[in-house]
Amino acid sequence: GDSVTQMEGPVTLSEEAFLTINCTYTATGYPSLFWYVQYPGEGLQLLLKATKADDKGSNKGFEATYRKETTSFHLEKGSVQVSDSAVYFCALRRANQGGKLIFGQGTELSVKP
Amino acid sequence: GAGVSQSPSNKVTEKGKDVELRCDPISGHTALYWYRQSLGQGLEFLIYFQGNSAPDKSGLPSDRFSAERTGGSVSTLTIQRTQQEDSAVYLCASSLPGQGKELFFGEGSRLTVL
Repeated sequence: GDSVTQMEGPVTLSEEAFLTINCTYTATGYPSLFWYVQYPGEGLQLLLKATKADDKGSNKGFEATYRKETTSFHLEKGSVQVSDSAVYFCALRRANQGGKLIFGQGTELSVKP
Repeated sequence: GAGVSQSPSNKVTEKGKDVELRCDPISGHTALYWYRQSLGQGLEFLIYFQGNSAPDKSGLPSDRFSAERTGGSVSTLTIQRTQQEDSAVYLCASSLPGQGKELFFGEGSRLTVL
């Protein structure tokens, strides 16, 4: 079945460091791909998405490119801030599965000043 | 309302009791989802509604769990004879139809079974 695999956390970085959180997926067809973020004490919110191969999603300085050849959707940010500390979830969605999101296990990011 | 609303935000119950969790989706969102988030377990899909019907119940962990949706709007997740392993945050999300549409999540209902 469909699945999403993320790099394990926690990831600890210093402020202004470069961030990569790896995400790979297994799915037939052409799913849409998403990154969701959960800040401490808050609900899940969409960070960015891409709906077809080679699309790049971007938001708040974060980027991820839909790579069908490597079945990946890695999240990157050039310079992280303390306020980026959160749990990040990669997810996929296929229309013929009722559109449910299938999530990775989440990666906790901690940014130190 | 502007977002997905869930109640109660916190529920503490005794083992063996029944609990009901409510979700009020964004107006006009025909799709509604329930997920469970347990410590260290990530996000687990429970059930999906399209309108009032539930074409995918594959994630419900046992027959103690059930859900319904009425009027294409509010949904209730019911857990009967709660067990300690049911302790988790139960998240509801709603969406417009379409693969590329995002799911909007509520703040969740934290259930603690003593």
